[in-house]
Amino acid sequence: NAGVMQNPRHLVRRRGQEARLRCSPMKGHSHVYWYRQLPEEGLKFMVYLQKENIIDESGMPKERFSAEFPKEGPSILRIQQVVRGDSAAYFCASSYRTDTEAFFGQGTRLTVV
Amino acid sequence: ELKVEQNPLFLSMQEGKNYTIYCNYSTTSDRLYWYRQDPGKSLESLFVLLSNGAVKQEGRLMASLDTKARLSTLHITAAVHDLSATYFCAVDTEDYGGSQGNLIFGKGTKLSVKP
Repeated sequence: NAGVMQNPRHLVRRRGQEARLRCSPMKGHSHVYWYRQLPEEGLKFMVYLQKENIIDESGMPKERFSAEFPKEGPSILRIQQVVRGDSAAYFCASSYRTDTEAFFGQGTRLTVV
Repeated sequence: ELKVEQNPLFLSMQEGKNYTIYCNYSTTSDRLYWYRQDPGKSLESLFVLLSNGAVKQEGRLMASLDTKARLSTLHITAAVHDLSATYFCAVDTEDYGGSQGNLIFGKGTKLSVKP
């Protein structure tokens, strides 16, 4: 049973381009969470999704950021018109139920040049 | 504002010594998590503490939770070099109106164990 899979592991984008980050949860997990980690900081919650639904997006910037978790396929975190301040590590976690532990993926390190 | 504060943020210790990392939080949550992160890697779950007075141990690490004091500790016994990493505590916000899975993380304690 593979763990939470994120790809790409590293992503370089020029300012103004779009970044798409993918997360495949663990098998059987239908709850997905996205976090952002700036250098030397803890993780900051962005959004919580459950198949096809956004449950909590209180940590998501209002503009340029969106997330989805379609019925089929991975969860996608999309950042439009990236800026240098978007450079960070983005982690995805998944859980089986809301009251079970979430497991983290390896992260995608986004660098905006 | 919900806050999770860890101290110290940096810890350099010698092998064989004992030390404690502290995690204070401002919510009423009684679910607290400890994670380990190696440089450039993901987070590895160490402990999930679910109730007041919970104590869990794994190897040289022991975590405890005091929900009344809103304090968790991570105690390191007889440190070894392999324990060098950054340790994070986190609490969930469900009891504060957030969703489960919406975790508030501390800034992390960067531990360096020297021979």
